[in-house]
Amino acid sequence: EVQLLESGGDLVQPGGSLRLSCAASGFTFSTYAMSWVRQAPGKGLKWVSGISGTGSTTYYADSVKGRFTISRDNSKSTLYLRMNSLRAEDTAVYYCAKGESRDGYTFDYWGQGTLVTVSS
Amino acid sequence: EIVLTQSPDFQSVTPKEKVTITCRASQSVGSSLHWYQQNADQSPKLLIKYASQPFSGVPSRFSGSGSGTDFTLTINSLEAEDAATYYCHQTGSLPWTFGQGTKVEIK
Repeated sequence: EVQLLESGGDLVQPGGSLRLSCAASGFTFSTYAMSWVRQAPGKGLKWVSGISGTGSTTYYADSVKGRFTISRDNSKSTLYLRMNSLRAEDTAVYYCAKGESRDGYTFDYWGQGTLVTVSS
Repeated sequence: EIVLTQSPDFQSVTPKEKVTITCRASQSVGSSLHWYQQNADQSPKLLIKYASQPFSGVPSRFSGSGSGTDFTLTINSLEAEDAATYYCHQTGSLPWTFGQGTKVEIK
């Protein structure tokens, strides 16, 4: 059974930093691309960042480029999102999502999400 | 950036009725269009991938069609458990984008 368990969400001040983690199990982690998708309170889904199965290729939405860094540790089956220079508009539930293949970004499984609140 | 526009934004439907949700892309995405269901306070779940391929375990009352810029999600014979928000999503061109969502309510 595929399981994705996010952690690391917290209340942080504007300008602060946070690192999210997503522990994966139930599949061969290195074989699949992974992404982060966020959902602001009461709003729709927005893709944030993606990484290929090997970790060699990364992608970012313009709104987070230069501030967020996606990475993965395939030996630990864990996905990360380092978030710097956080803004109020980054407040959201952050979901970890599994791609359907090494370089595929159809999201076939999602975690339960972790809440990031940026506020003073 | 490809903009996905769903219609309607909201639909109130009686059980066993047929539901049709459309998703229009601002430019062609080929068949790289996917549909998700998000129940209240839950994570999204994949329903249909690549416009018309049902994901494993998805009930047969859910189907998808379309290509290029115009796509449709159909729910035949709506059941109470189908009350949710439905999103389309394109992976034809970076950045990947989602539609604004269609909320389906059971009357």
